[in-house]
Amino acid sequence: DSGVTQTPKHLITATGQRVTLRCSPRSGDLSVYWYQQSLDQGLQFLIQYYNGEERAKGNILERFSAQQFPDLHSELNLSSLELGDSALYFCASSEGPATNEKLFFGSGTQLSVL
Amino acid sequence: ILNVEQSPQSLHVQEGDSTNFTCSFPSSNFYALHWYRWETAKSPEALFVMTLNGDEKKKGRISATLNTKEGYSYLYIKGSQPEDSATYLCASYNTDKLIFGTGTRLQVFP
Repeated sequence: DSGVTQTPKHLITATGQRVTLRCSPRSGDLSVYWYQQSLDQGLQFLIQYYNGEERAKGNILERFSAQQFPDLHSELNLSSLELGDSALYFCASSEGPATNEKLFFGSGTQLSVL
Repeated sequence: ILNVEQSPQSLHVQEGDSTNFTCSFPSSNFYALHWYRWETAKSPEALFVMTLNGDEKKKGRISATLNTKEGYSYLYIKGSQPEDSATYLCASYNTDKLIFGTGTRLQVFP
């Protein structure tokens, strides 16, 4: 158990809908990362937060947004869902923003858009 | 777009064989190279983080080296065991993002 909690584990929804994925980092970790894992693709970096502030942004679609709250949990909002958004979404956390810190991954949220 | 490349894509070895994989990454604006082990139905787990050219890390039968000038890292597994079967991911921190490769899938047969 990495100490990173993601909910829900599975989500099935329809095209055009909006969903929210939630992540609670390990106790004491201030950085949260979001990654998308699609079929035949590696882990695609979406966004990183550190202590409530956006720190780095990847190829995150405009239909997607995220935030990190004062209690350090983070939410990833996906709207106007398309079939291609079906993927495994991982959250990871690290203690600080430093580049040499290991990431601890949650178990992921499997999103299926039908 | 930063490209982190891993080879081979997959590898099948016999128990007891030693093996190695390669990770290539951009050498510009480089800060750190991460290796993760990802077992089926589990989450990726960190193996090593290396930052300096010439760095070598070891954890049991697994070791890694880093060449930041030419932009590559090797992961070695000595005497592979069936429980080493997993996907091994490398990730490079360049500028401000940690970018993952697509991984090397290792299967070790008894």
